[in-house]
Amino acid sequence: NAGVMQNPRHLVRRRGQEARLRCSPMKGHSHVYWYRQLPEEGLKFMVYLQKENIIDESGMPKERFSAEFPKEGPSILRIQQVVRGDSAAYFCASSPDSKETQYFGPGTRLLVL
Amino acid sequence: GENVEQHPSTLSVQEGDSAVIKCTYSDSASNYFPWYKQELGKRPQLIIDIRSNVGEKKDQRIAVTLNKTAKHFSLHITETQPEDSAVYFCAAGKGTYKYIFGTGTRLKVLA
Repeated sequence: NAGVMQNPRHLVRRRGQEARLRCSPMKGHSHVYWYRQLPEEGLKFMVYLQKENIIDESGMPKERFSAEFPKEGPSILRIQQVVRGDSAAYFCASSPDSKETQYFGPGTRLLVL
Repeated sequence: GENVEQHPSTLSVQEGDSAVIKCTYSDSASNYFPWYKQELGKRPQLIIDIRSNVGEKKDQRIAVTLNKTAKHFSLHITETQPEDSAVYFCAAGKGTYKYIFGTGTRLKVLA
């Protein structure tokens, strides 16, 4: 049973470009969570999605950031017009339902030049 | 707002000694407390968790205790080994899905 998959593992963007981060949950998991981790800091909740629904996006900046989890395919975190402050590791996690433990993917390390 | 404080931020112990990491949470409705271990450049991995209806849980060399009245919980690692060296994060969940993470403890086990 493959774990949570994320790609790309590393992403370099110039200021103003778009970043697309992908997350494929574990088999049988329909709940996906995105977190951001700045260097030397803990993980900050961004958004919680189920298939085709955003359940809670209270941790996600209102502008430039969006997330989706379509009926088919991976969940995508999209950052438009990236700025240097967006440089961080972005982790997704999945669970079979909202009350179960979350399992993390390997993360995408975004560097904005 | 919701907050989880974690101490210490760094901890060095001799191999074979015990390590204790403490966390305090602010939201009394929190009912799920996982601990994650993160090695450099890798994903956070769940090592143990506890729900609010239990005061203590043990898994081999790792144990977690929860004091709901005081709103704090602790991770205990006994007989530490060099491979225990990593950053450890506590978290508090309410209905579990929205975890609030602590700021992490960098544990170094000295051989």
